[in-house]
Amino acid sequence: AQKVTQAQTEISVVEKEDVTLDCVYETRDTTYYLFWYKQPPSGELVFLIRRNSFDEQNEISGRYSWNFQKSTSSFNFTITASQVVDSAVYFCALRNRDDKIIFGKGTRLHILP
Amino acid sequence: DAEITQSPRHKITETGRQVTLACHQTWNHNNMFWYRQDLGHGLRLIHYSYGVQDTNKGEVSDGYSVSRSNTEDLPLTLESAASSQTSVYFCASSAEPGGQFFGPGTRLTVL
Repeated sequence: AQKVTQAQTEISVVEKEDVTLDCVYETRDTTYYLFWYKQPPSGELVFLIRRNSFDEQNEISGRYSWNFQKSTSSFNFTITASQVVDSAVYFCALRNRDDKIIFGKGTRLHILP
Repeated sequence: DAEITQSPRHKITETGRQVTLACHQTWNHNNMFWYRQDLGHGLRLIHYSYGVQDTNKGEVSDGYSVSRSNTEDLPLTLESAASSQTSVYFCASSAEPGGQFFGPGTRLTVL
């Protein structure tokens, strides 16, 4: 079965703190893709990153970084020096070979000024 | 710039009426998807298409249908709207093996 679990339903941190959003996935496929999407209060879904199953290199993009570990089936997302504009719901997702994407239920992140 | 659009953005309808939500993309992507988003459920796949004349059922397809007559459009039809179909609907498209790009969403209320 394919499954994505985001155990943190809601997180609140004070601005400038670092925060990590957890994502654990299950799949029987050896080839798959993992994604993170951001959904700000305005409601649109914004694509943040894609990682394929053969590339375990961590990625950094500005204040955002992603840690992919196949051994623990995790694809965690860290925001460094958080800002109020980072407040949003963040979805982790898994795409299998037939291109269907399965989403986690999301983590609502509140950055407090 | 290529984009994906949805219309209407907001719709209020009555139980039993037929409703069609439009999705149009200019990315020239073969793959298109419809999701619904509800509190506590995240995004759930309704229908998807891998190309013209191809349609497939997703996780929550009952009460919905789609048709794909060209590459750009995948309209979603609610045959007889029910209150349980009140939701936010997102259309998405993708090209192998990229990420899916989402439309802005349609908020549907069924009274």
